Amino acid sequence: GDSVTQMEGPVTLSEEAFLTINCTYTATGYPSLFWYVQYPGEGLQLLLKATKADDKGSNKGFEATYRKETTSFHLEKGSVQVSDSAVYFCALRGQGAQKLVFGQGTRLTINP
Amino acid sequence: DAGVIQSPRHEVTEMGQEVTLRCKPISGHDYLFWYRQTMMRGLELLIYFNNNVPIDDSGMPEDRFSAKMPNASFSTLKIQPSEPRDSAVYFCASSFGELNTEAFFGQGTRLTVV
Repeated sequence: GDSVTQMEGPVTLSEEAFLTINCTYTATGYPSLFWYVQYPGEGLQLLLKATKADDKGSNKGFEATYRKETTSFHLEKGSVQVSDSAVYFCALRGQGAQKLVFGQGTRLTINP
Repeated sequence: DAGVIQSPRHEVTEMGQEVTLRCKPISGHDYLFWYRQTMMRGLELLIYFNNNVPIDDSGMPEDRFSAKMPNASFSTLKIQPSEPRDSAVYFCASSFGELNTEAFFGQGTRLTVV
């Protein structure tokens, strides 16, 4: 079945550092791909999405490109802030499916 | 729109008691999902509905769990009897349409069974 694998955390960086969180997936056809963010004590919020190969999703300085050839959707940000500290989830929705399949989540901590 | 609304935010109950979690999806959304989040297992889909009809309940752990959606604006997840291993954060999410759409999550209910 469909699955998502994220790099294991936790990840700790200094403010203004470059961020990459790796995400790879297994799915048939052409899934839609998502990054969600969860701040402490809150639900998940959509950060960005991409619905077809080579699409780039972006929001709040974060970017991810849908790479079908490598089945990847890595999350990047050029300069992180303390306020980016949260848990990040990569997810997919299989082609023709409705449910979201999530990775395990990566906890990110940014130190001032 | 107020977003997906869940209640209660926190629930502490004794083992063996019945627990009911509630969810109000975003108005107009036709899909509703119940997820459970634990440290050990991450986010697991328990069940989802389309137009109030359960479509896939394969993630429901056992017969102690049941979910209903009596109308388009309300759903419940019930655990009877509750056990300590049910302690988790339970999220409700809703979405609209069938193509490429994201799900919107509520703030979750943190359940502790002692």
